Amino acid sequence: GDSVTQMEGPVTLSEEAFLTINCTYTATGYPSLFWYVQYPGEGLQLLLKATKADDKGSNKGFEATYRKETTSFHLEKGSVQVSDSAVYFCATRDDKIIFGKGTRLHILP
Amino acid sequence: KAGVTQTPRYLIKTRGQQVTLSCSPISGHRSVSWYQQTPGQGLQFLFEYFSETQRNKGNFPGRFSGRQFSNSRSEMNVSTLELGDSALYLCASSLSGLDLGGYTFGSGTRLTVV
Repeated sequence: GDSVTQMEGPVTLSEEAFLTINCTYTATGYPSLFWYVQYPGEGLQLLLKATKADDKGSNKGFEATYRKETTSFHLEKGSVQVSDSAVYFCATRDDKIIFGKGTRLHILP
Repeated sequence: KAGVTQTPRYLIKTRGQQVTLSCSPISGHRSVSWYQQTPGQGLQFLFEYFSETQRNKGNFPGRFSGRQFSNSRSEMNVSTLELGDSALYLCASSLSGLDLGGYTFGSGTRLTVV
């Protein structure tokens, strides 16, 4: 079945650092890809999505590009803020959304 | 518009009891999915309902069940609770479950079994 593998955390960065969280997927066909974010004590929020190869999703300074050739959907942000501290989930979807294990991000002021 | 509402937010139950959790989707959304989130297993799919019918089911024992009402509100029930059922239970809604926009999640119900 489909699956998602993302880098394990926690990831700790200083404010204004560059962020990359790696995500690769296995799937039949051409799934939609998502990044969700979960802040402490809350549910998941859709951060960005891409529905076909070479699509770039972007939101709040975060970006991810759907790379079919490498089956990847890495999350990037050029300059992180303390408020970006959260758990980030990469996900794909066939008949249901399948999530990676999540990557906890700590941003130090 | 109102988001996905899950009630209650927190619940403490004793082993062997049963529990019912509720989820009200965004108005107009007809698909409701349930996930269990634990530190060890991450997010695991429980089931999905669409138009009062279970459309998809994950690999959970029969103690976990759900239903959806005509107004799209959904409930999930866990019978004969075990300590391992302690988790955050998340509900997510979408227009049809097959749309490309992803799901909108509620804040979850934190279930603690003692």
